[in-house]
Amino acid sequence: AQKITQTQPGMFVQEKEAVTLDCTYDTSDPSYGLFWYKQPSSGEMIFLIYQGSYDQQNATEGRYSLNFQKARKSANLVISASQLGDSAMYFCAMREALGGGADGLTFGKGTHLIIQP
Amino acid sequence: EAQVTQNPRYLITVTGKKLTVTCSQNMNHEYMSWYRQDPGLGLRQIYYSMNVEVTDKGDVPEGYKVSRKEKRNFPLILESPSPNQTSLYFCASSLGRRQGGLGSPLHFGNGTRLTVT
Repeated sequence: AQKITQTQPGMFVQEKEAVTLDCTYDTSDPSYGLFWYKQPSSGEMIFLIYQGSYDQQNATEGRYSLNFQKARKSANLVISASQLGDSAMYFCAMREALGGGADGLTFGKGTHLIIQP
Repeated sequence: EAQVTQNPRYLITVTGKKLTVTCSQNMNHEYMSWYRQDPGLGLRQIYYSMNVEVTDKGDVPEGYKVSRKEKRNFPLILESPSPNQTSLYFCASSLGRRQGGLGSPLHFGNGTRLTVT
């Protein structure tokens, strides 16, 4: 079974609208962390936001927020007031406290977001 | 500037010709790893290293070697490349759980696009 599932291979959104990128995860480890990365067309991987499994509040970083629903095992990324520069691939990833790969991240397959003017 | 530097950015080679992709970080990170990114598959971990002289296999280690003789460097070696190793490769480093906790993000290099003909 996939540990990280991103069900939206691609999305088109109008500029200035809010965007929600879906991510569900699968783990039996009570301690884990969830990450979102952005990969623009230039190829680099940019860290956006982090949510720990024991964090009581949803994480926020500027226009990015993470809608964390622990019981549903979902960690959706919300981008408010989207901009043309938000067009990119977005990856959800997880680190389990007891997971294999030591401190590595397990990534989903990504969502290709295109912001239209 | 804190960064992960990998070289070369682009590499075209032929089947069976040994190659090395270099990776260096200047953040004194204990943890380093290599990922490959393929369309529709996301990022998959090849090898990782928890510290000097400590390396271990990730999810897709076949056909690759690594070494960690110094803390800052973590080269990826393909002794006999094959066309199915054509991919985008990323080196990454992080403080790791021991140094920075579960939420330590991975810092990525800019990627190496490898083509094996």
